[in-house]
Amino acid sequence: ILNVEQSPQSLHVQEGDSTNFTCSFPSSNFYALHWYRWETAKSPEALFVMTLNGDEKKKGRISATLNTKEGYSYLYIKGSQPEDSATYLCAPPGGSQGNLIFGKGTKLSVKP
Amino acid sequence: KAGVTQTPRYLIKTRGQQVTLSCSPISGHRSVSWYQQTPGQGLQFLFEYFSETQRNKGNFPGRFSGRQFSNSRSEMNVSTLELGDSALYLCASSPVQSTDTQYFGPGTRLTVL
Repeated sequence: ILNVEQSPQSLHVQEGDSTNFTCSFPSSNFYALHWYRWETAKSPEALFVMTLNGDEKKKGRISATLNTKEGYSYLYIKGSQPEDSATYLCAPPGGSQGNLIFGKGTKLSVKP
Repeated sequence: KAGVTQTPRYLIKTRGQQVTLSCSPISGHRSVSWYQQTPGQGLQFLFEYFSETQRNKGNFPGRFSGRQFSNSRSEMNVSTLELGDSALYLCASSPVQSTDTQYFGPGTRLTVL
C-alpha cells in the first residue's frame, strides 16, 4: 500500500503570511500527483494535477512544485488570506488499478 | 453542469442495521469512487465502479458493498452497522479513470448509535 505523508498536520498563520507544506510519496512508478483543497462544510475541490518532474503549477496565490525523483511536492500560498483556511490534500495514484491514495492533509488556519 | 449529488446528507442508524447511500455523478462521468472519512484517518478509499463493474477495492470488510447502474449512479451499502462505521462518506466522479481529476459530492454523514 502506498504511503503518502503530509507535513505539517496543521498550521496557523496570520493574514498576509506566506506558507508552504509538503507531500511525500514513493518515487518509484510515479506518474501523477493531485492536490485538493477541502474547506469546512464543503466538498474537496481539485487544485492541481502534476505529472512531470520539475512541474510547477500556479492558481492565483497558490502554487505547487513537484520532484518525482525524490518523491515530494510542495504547496505554497503567498500572502495567506482567511479564505485560504482549509485542509490541503495530496493524492498520488497507488491502488492496483491506479485509484488515488490520499494523504491525511495539512490543515491551514489563517487568522485575520 | 450539475455537480455530484449524494443522498441522504445525514443519517442516524443503530448498531446491527444496514444502510444504503446514493451518489449521482456528473453527467457523462463513468467512474464513481467512494471514500470514508473519519477523524484522524483522512480519506480512506472504499471502492470504485466503472461501467457497472467494481474496478478497484480498498481494504474494507465485506460488510461494505456497492453497485453502479447503467446511468452511472452508484449506491453503497453497509450491512450490520458498527459504531466505528460512523463517518462522512464521500463519493467522487471522474470521466473515465479514477486517477483523473475527481469531483466530490457533499457527502453523507452517518452516525451509528
